[in-house]
Amino acid sequence: GQNIDQPTEMTATEGAIVQINCTYQTSGFNGLFWYQQHAGEAPTFLSYNVLDGLEEKGRFSSFLSRSKGYSYLLLKELQMKDSASYLCASMDSNYQLIWGAGTKLIIKP
Amino acid sequence: GAVVSQHPSRVICKSGTSVKIECRSLDFQATTMFWYRQFPKQSLMLMATSNEGSKATYEQGVEKDKFLINHASLTLSTLTVTSAHPEDSSFYICSARVGGADGGTQYFGPGTRLTVL
Repeated sequence: GQNIDQPTEMTATEGAIVQINCTYQTSGFNGLFWYQQHAGEAPTFLSYNVLDGLEEKGRFSSFLSRSKGYSYLLLKELQMKDSASYLCASMDSNYQLIWGAGTKLIIKP
Repeated sequence: GAVVSQHPSRVICKSGTSVKIECRSLDFQATTMFWYRQFPKQSLMLMATSNEGSKATYEQGVEKDKFLINHASLTLSTLTVTSAHPEDSSFYICSARVGGADGGTQYFGPGTRLTVL
């Protein structure tokens, strides 16, 4: 079957670093996406990885290991506005996104 | 780039009425659009995949006669919730896929919050 696992909730402190992990099992693989979703709003695209390694984009970085079926999203210099849910999604062989349930990130001052 | 609009943003209707939601890709052509539903504190649930000029592909458990999807152009897809009932109250979100060799990134509209009284 197809499955995406990510923690339900995480808490971090403003200014710190947090890593949100995601493991995936899908029928085929065409890339791993991370989206940010604030409460009551639609998701916004953060990153896409299809090759192994780290992709850095400002305060956010995303890592992929295809052999391990593993990705993480790294958020640095956390700000209060980073409080949101972070959705991991794997694109399967039919180019369909298989979504994780999301990780709710709570930032404390 | 890759902006998706959705209208209306919020709608309240009486039970038994129909509601149409529009999804537009503003600065690109989208051969494929997706319709999702999200209940409070739950993950996105894909309802259907909409391809321009052809019938939508519905996910298992989604009634195609209740949720009518029309993708008449490369920039517009509509979802009509027919004979809406209170249990249809939810956050409906569309996304449009930007084509590419990678299969394309999905960009989301802002969502429509439907409340059926």
